[in-house]
Amino acid sequence: AQKVTQAQTEISVVEKEDVTLDCVYETRDTTYYLFWYKQPPSGELVFLIRRNSFDEQNEISGRYSWNFQKSTSSFNFTITASQVVDSAVYFCALSEASGGADGLTFGKGTHLIIQP
Amino acid sequence: EAQVTQNPRYLITVTGKKLTVTCSQNMNHEYMSWYRQDPGLGLRQIYYSMNVEVTDKGDVPEGYKVSRKEKRNFPLILESPSPNQTSLYFCASSLSNRGGYGYTFGSGTRLTVV
Repeated sequence: AQKVTQAQTEISVVEKEDVTLDCVYETRDTTYYLFWYKQPPSGELVFLIRRNSFDEQNEISGRYSWNFQKSTSSFNFTITASQVVDSAVYFCALSEASGGADGLTFGKGTHLIIQP
Repeated sequence: EAQVTQNPRYLITVTGKKLTVTCSQNMNHEYMSWYRQDPGLGLRQIYYSMNVEVTDKGDVPEGYKVSRKEKRNFPLILESPSPNQTSLYFCASSLSNRGGYGYTFGSGTRLTVV
């Protein structure tokens, strides 16, 4: 069965620091998809990125970057020069191409606090 | 606008009083799913549906029912709510649960059972 582990329950940094959120996954499928979602205090889930298992290129979007390493089954998320508006709960999630009934499996989330 | 609409956004109810949380999507998606979110536990799947009239249990189905009579609607029913069902609920839809199709989430329903 698929599993996603976010070992960091809460991270607190001062504004402008860089911060990395860890995500480790387990799956038996060779084709799968990894996601990151942001949940601001307002509660909605905001899609950030989707990456398939065959694309190991790192991705950068503004201050956000993602490091996908199949060798360690990790899909880590880094925020550069963090801002107070980045404060949120961040979820990593996994979906298998075979269509496991689980659909999307989430990690437990990392609560990121950016202090001014 | 493509969206998943959940209602209500907030609900406070009493133990044992039946309630329904509605979920509707306008994207002709086949796959729909319900999740509950609790502190420290992340999002856990309650029920899912791969198509009309096809539903199945997720990880935490106890105390919940669903139906999928039409493709666009996937209501979550609590026949006899209890305080341990106090949670934040999300409905999601996707073209299919096979492959890397994106998932669209509703805005969430915050339920309190007293």
